Amino acid sequence: GENVEQHPSTLSVQEGDSAVIKCTYSDSASNYFPWYKQELGKGPQLIIDIRSNVGEKKDQRIAVTLNKTAKHFSLHITETQPEDSAVYFCAASLPLYNQGGKLIFGQGTELSVKP
Amino acid sequence: GAGVSQSPRYKVTKRGQDVALRCDPISGHVSLYWYRQALGQGPEFLTYFNYEAQQDKSGLPNDRFSAERPEGSISTLTIQRTEQRDSAMYRCASSSGTGSSYNEQFFGPGTRLTVL
Repeated sequence: GENVEQHPSTLSVQEGDSAVIKCTYSDSASNYFPWYKQELGKGPQLIIDIRSNVGEKKDQRIAVTLNKTAKHFSLHITETQPEDSAVYFCAASLPLYNQGGKLIFGQGTELSVKP
Repeated sequence: GAGVSQSPRYKVTKRGQDVALRCDPISGHVSLYWYRQALGQGPEFLTYFNYEAQQDKSGLPNDRFSAERPEGSISTLTIQRTEQRDSAMYRCASSSGTGSSYNEQFFGPGTRLTVL
């Protein structure tokens, strides 16, 4: 089955710097790759996603890139702010018609942005 | 509009008791997923419904775990004869599930289960 590895497990940056979180996946049939932000005491919040027919997607200060050949995808946060501090999870999913689109999550990255 | 809601938010029970966890998905969402999240880990898939049909229960740990969604909306995850190892955050997610092969899932706040 699908397996998702996420690195690093913790990341500390200064406010204003960039942060990069990387994930790899094992099943080349996966076609959907969301990123979730989880703040303390809250459920995972979808912040950006990328589909297998796209190489890069950007939304204001966050961007995600996908390399299908290498089977890895990355989250980039620019101009980090203290409110970006949270645990970030990547995930991969097969198409809906294949195993119902269940998400396989990485282990999470705890991002700390120091003022 | 209202997001995914779960109840109770916290549940403390004694070993051997049965518990029922409820999920109310986003209105109109066809697909509903249950995940379990251990501390410091990502959510792990338990089971999935499309309308009222349970399509995949491969992630349920054993036969003490069951789930239902009888009218295709609210779902209940039931754990019988709870054990301490069942202690975790149980999360529900829903998605529109139609018109696309992609699957944006929106999560609820979770139910923190503690088995003493």
